[in-house]
Amino acid sequence: GAVVSQHPSRVICKSGTSVKIECRSLDFQATTMFWYRQFPKKSLMLMATSNEGSKATYEQGVEKDKFLINHASLTLSTLTVTSAHPEDSSFYICSASRTGSSNQPQHFGDGTRLSIL
Amino acid sequence: AQSVAQPEDQVNVAEGNPLTVKCTYSVSGNPYLFWYVQYPNRGLQFLLKYITGDNLVKGSYGFEAEFNKSQTSFHLKKPSALVSDSALYFCAVSTSGTYKYIFGTGTRLKVLA
Repeated sequence: GAVVSQHPSRVICKSGTSVKIECRSLDFQATTMFWYRQFPKKSLMLMATSNEGSKATYEQGVEKDKFLINHASLTLSTLTVTSAHPEDSSFYICSASRTGSSNQPQHFGDGTRLSIL
Repeated sequence: AQSVAQPEDQVNVAEGNPLTVKCTYSVSGNPYLFWYVQYPNRGLQFLLKYITGDNLVKGSYGFEAEFNKSQTSFHLKKPSALVSDSALYFCAVSTSGTYKYIFGTGTRLKVLA
């Protein structure tokens, strides 16, 4: 099946630092990737839709200057949490959709546990 | 407004018994429906989908789901539960031309030995 690789799986860093998370589709091209945030025992909150070669589309209430998204190729999207603070600690998950197939399932990475001290 | 409801936060079932995890939806247009499973500290794994055609959809690990248009439901089922099925289950819906999912709030399934 389709594989999406997310790296790193866990990050612990000091308040004020920036953290970059990578999401790669390993065996298919992904025009569209998604970034989610999941709070403990809660559902996934869509943060933004990442479109290859264009600006990301952010959901209401998500700070675009705080959560920088880059989708420079059909297989890689990155999320950078800038000047991270303890309230940014969370589980971040990416997913990817095959190009041109809105009826195909999204394939998810294994998530990144971000802990800001 | 489009929405997905998973009315049960948790479902408990004895090993070997059938299980059902409920999902209802409200969307404009024809829905594309998906079920995913999440194990602790992991991403979501795709189980099955309904796009069109036969209302009974079979998926991974012995799971199946029935699309019911009149009741706007897409309940997940398995004839005989395993302890290893214990996890968090999410229902999601999208529509033609949109890649975004609307997720349900998740149902924690606990299978008791």
